[in-house]
Amino acid sequence: ELKLLESGGGLVQPGGSLRLSCAASGFILGNNGMSWARQAPGKGLEWVADMYGSGGIVYADFAKGRFTVSRDNSKNTLYLQMNSLRVEDTAVYYCTGHGGNSGWGQGTLVTVSS
Amino acid sequence: QAVLTQEPSLTVSPGGTVTLTCASSTGPVTDGHYPYWLQQKPGQAPRTLIFDTQAKHSWTPARFSGSLLGGKPALTLSGAQPEDEADYYCLLSFSGPRVFGGGTKLTVL
Repeated sequence: ELKLLESGGGLVQPGGSLRLSCAASGFILGNNGMSWARQAPGKGLEWVADMYGSGGIVYADFAKGRFTVSRDNSKNTLYLQMNSLRVEDTAVYYCTGHGGNSGWGQGTLVTVSS
Repeated sequence: QAVLTQEPSLTVSPGGTVTLTCASSTGPVTDGHYPYWLQQKPGQAPRTLIFDTQAKHSWTPARFSGSLLGGKPALTLSGAQPEDEADYYCLLSFSGPRVFGGGTKLTVL
């Protein structure tokens, strides 16, 4: 059974950093494309970044230069390093797979506030 | 960046049929945009119902189907149930970057 479990969210001050994790089970993360998406309170979904099975990465414009996606195949885990966080980055962050592995985790809440 | 436009809200009667669409500001959508449809109920994470235009997951109820209609991805619900009341989002790929639609709030009433 495909499962995704995000963690690492929390309260951080503007300008701070956080690293989110997405632990996968039921499939081999490194062989599949994966995405990060987010949802601000009361708003719709917003795509953040994709990492392909090949290792290629694509970022949304707002994430370029501040966010970095990586993965540890030995841990079957995807990461999202977020630096220079802004108040407008406050959201629930989700990871999801591509295609037939497009399950979703429960999300992790990131709150950027002073 | 492309903007995807969905119907802000739709209402369907129990047992009825409704079609949700997703228009792209860049023009006609094709299978090459790998359309997804997601369902999100209040307080819950999204779940993918349809991927790659019409492919279903094991958890996707048979009453949901995906297609392309007039150059737009479409999600058709045939035989609506009260539990189908939710927000629905489309997701398209644009040769790298991906974009979500603004969502459709579906009411079953």
